[in-house]
Amino acid sequence: NAGVTQTPKFQVLKTGQSMTLQCAQDMNHNSMYWYRQDPGMGLRLIYYSASEGTTDKGEVPNGYNVSRLNKREFSLRLESAAPSQTSVYFCASRPEASNYGYTFGSGTRLTVV
Amino acid sequence: GESVGLHLPTLSVQEGDNSIINCAYSNSASDYFIWYKQESGKGPQFIIDIRSNMDKRQGQRVTVLLNKTVKHLSLQIAATQPGDSAVYFCAENRAGGGNKLTFGTGTQLKVEL
Repeated sequence: NAGVTQTPKFQVLKTGQSMTLQCAQDMNHNSMYWYRQDPGMGLRLIYYSASEGTTDKGEVPNGYNVSRLNKREFSLRLESAAPSQTSVYFCASRPEASNYGYTFGSGTRLTVV
Repeated sequence: GESVGLHLPTLSVQEGDNSIINCAYSNSASDYFIWYKQESGKGPQFIIDIRSNMDKRQGQRVTVLLNKTVKHLSLQIAATQPGDSAVYFCAENRAGGGNKLTFGTGTQLKVEL
């Protein structure tokens, strides 16, 4: 089982460039999430998808868009990258039931210069 | 506001000693709690969970204690090893919270030889 796979692992962008972070899970989980992690600030929820076909904003959605392409894939797009979006991005998935934890991917380290 | 918080940002212990990492939560409706371990450069990994109808749960070298009266959660690691060095996060599932976990900011555990 691969679990949650994120690509790319590292990326450097110039201010104003766009890019899409990819996430796929093979555990047949219904819910998927995108978090960013900044030093000293823990994990902050950007967007989530409770089930295929639905997406909702989290705590820090500004500057991002998401697409739940199918049950397996949940992508995060930065339309016009800003230095404030320099961070480590984690994708996670979870079964529908709320008494289970998340399974996280290994992260994408993004630097915007 | 409501939050999941940790008492200490950094905890240093000697190899072989027991470690205790604490977490306070403020939402009495939270029904499920999880501890995650995050090693440098990796995504968070599930350690142990506990449901709100339990006070204690044990795993391999780890024990989670839940005190609902004072809204306190702790993670105990027995015979701490160098491989336990990591950041530890607690997370809570708030009933009716849209199947999302809320994370604390993390405690850095450093194991000294």
